[in-house]
Amino acid sequence: AQRVTQPEKLLSVFKGAPVELKCNYSYSGSPELFWYVQYSRQRLQLLLRHISRESIKGFTADLNKGETSFHLKKPFAQEEDSAMYYCALSGLRSDMRFGAGTRLTVKP
Amino acid sequence: NAGVTQTPKFRILKIGQSMTLQCTQDMNHNYMYWYRQDPGMGLKLIYYSVGAGITDKGEVPNGYNVSRSTTEDFPLRLELAAPSQTSVYFCASGPGGNTIYFGEGSWLTVV
Repeated sequence: AQRVTQPEKLLSVFKGAPVELKCNYSYSGSPELFWYVQYSRQRLQLLLRHISRESIKGFTADLNKGETSFHLKKPFAQEEDSAMYYCALSGLRSDMRFGAGTRLTVKP
Repeated sequence: NAGVTQTPKFRILKIGQSMTLQCTQDMNHNYMYWYRQDPGMGLKLIYYSVGAGITDKGEVPNGYNVSRSTTEDFPLRLELAAPSQTSVYFCASGPGGNTIYFGEGSWLTVV
């Protein structure tokens, strides 16, 4: 069965500091992995997906199949990055499963 | 373009009552999903559908039912509401194996 684990429920950093939100997964096939973000009073929305290998709002995430990880990173956090972040995995049947989420707070 | 629309936004139910959460999308997506979001637990998949007439169970289907008679609509039914079903419910849709788009959520309290 597919599973997504986000070990940190809360993460707090200062503005300008690097940030890394951890995500580990278990899946027997080739997964499609995503990061979704939920800003205050907004809908959950896609931040980035591994297949496109893009950087969105300064965030990047690399799929490491050996470590079964898909950590989200940003070199210099901004206050507007404060939000709830969810790692998600889409399996062969397109049943998108989410982790428990990490609440990131960027302090001024 | 409305995207994914859920109704109602807020509802209080008594234990044992039934209700249907409505979800409709205007993006002609084949895939639709229902999730519940509980504090500290993230999003749990209740049911999903890969097209009209096809539905499948997710992680936490007990106590819920769904149907998918059209591409646009994917209602979620609670037959006998229980306090454990107090949650925020999200409907989502997507073109398949890709980005999914969420509704604004429905806050349900069972008392």
